[in-house]
Amino acid sequence: DTAVSQTPKYLVTQMGNDKSIKCEQNLGHDTMYWYKQDSKKFLKIMFSYNNKELIINETVPNRFSPKSPDKAHLNLHINSLELGDSAVYFCASSQGYQDPYQPQHFGDGTRLSIL
Amino acid sequence: RKEVEQDPGPFNVPEGATVAFNCTYSNSASQSFFWYRQDCRKEPKLLMSVYSSGNEDGRFTAQLNRASQYISLLIRDSKLSDSATYLCVVIGNTGGFKTIFGAGTRLFVKA
Repeated sequence: DTAVSQTPKYLVTQMGNDKSIKCEQNLGHDTMYWYKQDSKKFLKIMFSYNNKELIINETVPNRFSPKSPDKAHLNLHINSLELGDSAVYFCASSQGYQDPYQPQHFGDGTRLSIL
Repeated sequence: RKEVEQDPGPFNVPEGATVAFNCTYSNSASQSFFWYRQDCRKEPKLLMSVYSSGNEDGRFTAQLNRASQYISLLIRDSKLSDSATYLCVVIGNTGGFKTIFGAGTRLFVKA
């Protein structure tokens, strides 16, 4: 199936721990994104990479570090997790500069809960 | 003023009703417009693109008014399964391509 897939689907961990979320897309897209959706349901862009290069870095604590080993993968590492990091994290991809006016396609989310 | 604004609702409608959502955007240079649907605890999914000439997909009709900078989504003959949050999405180019998501409009369709 062509898709954006992210793992894990659920992540429950203690405050202060370090965790990673992985994302892969097989749509041949150049651009990938990370979004955070908190309890208020607003979808907030965190990062965007085009062909492995960072192009958007919104005001996000530097405890969050994205890494793109190739254009099909964008992983998110979070250090020293805090209670406020509890949210759903969505990965997405789009054609990017190939055709910048095309819509984004989303993975099914990682539900992060900090105890 | 937010770049993309939607009425958060919720809209509570009976089955079979017609319901319309509006969305306004602030960047007149915006070029692409979409409606997404997000079910509870799921990812946003593309519902339909929005074209200047208006476009229809079954019970759903989307319209774009560039002069007034708003887009709309009309749902006819609402079904229980239409209950979801509908997100308005705009892509523009202001010193770089940017996709802006509205905060969403919540719809509840009741039997």
